[in-house]
Amino acid sequence: DIQMTQSPSSLSASVGDRVTITCRASQSINRYLNWYQQKPGKAPKLLIYAASSLQSGVPSRFSGSGSGTDFTLTISSLQREDFATYYCQQSYSTLWTFGQGTKVEIK
Amino acid sequence: QVQLVQSGAEVKKPGASVKVSCKASGYTFTSYDLSWVRQATGQGLEWMGWMNPNSGNTGYAQKFQGRVTMTRDNSISTAYMELSSLRSEDTAVYYCARPGENGYNLDYWGQGTLVTVSS
Repeated sequence: DIQMTQSPSSLSASVGDRVTITCRASQSINRYLNWYQQKPGKAPKLLIYAASSLQSGVPSRFSGSGSGTDFTLTISSLQREDFATYYCQQSYSTLWTFGQGTKVEIK
Repeated sequence: QVQLVQSGAEVKKPGASVKVSCKASGYTFTSYDLSWVRQATGQGLEWMGWMNPNSGNTGYAQKFQGRVTMTRDNSISTAYMELSSLRSEDTAVYYCARPGENGYNLDYWGQGTLVTVSS
């Protein structure tokens, strides 16, 4: 299986901060990379698909970039509702895998 | 609108099996693959496998090979995930999920089913 490694595992930030989360694949996955946001007790929500395409309804402060093995999720100006856990997920291989998650907490 | 409605919480003893259902509505059931994802309390998301409701073809994560079976009943637009030889580490919320229109993501999710394994 393709391994997905996120960093950091957690971070503390303030409202208005720019936040960057990285995700690295154990082999090239082209641009078959998705990002999800999950809040406690809720199902995950798709934010970004195909590395950089913003899902409908998702605020434009979220953006994604990268290809091959290295990817980034950026929140340009953190809002209170963005405090959550974020996961990357590859869909390049037949068997998909998630990263371990990055928890974004209030500083 | 697309909806995935899962069966209710289960409590099972170690060594038993559990079968979780996922009833789809709002779209043609056989047109999209379905994945199953689980999440232990306080832990991350773990992709378990996928099923094509049209063909019945499946693909399982290596970790679950031999213990998981994904099936469907197209007449009632329902998918099933059965996990056998349960152990305490299988205590988790289990989700079914469906891709969006581009097919390589998980855009629609069920509400989750808590499976508790305890003696």
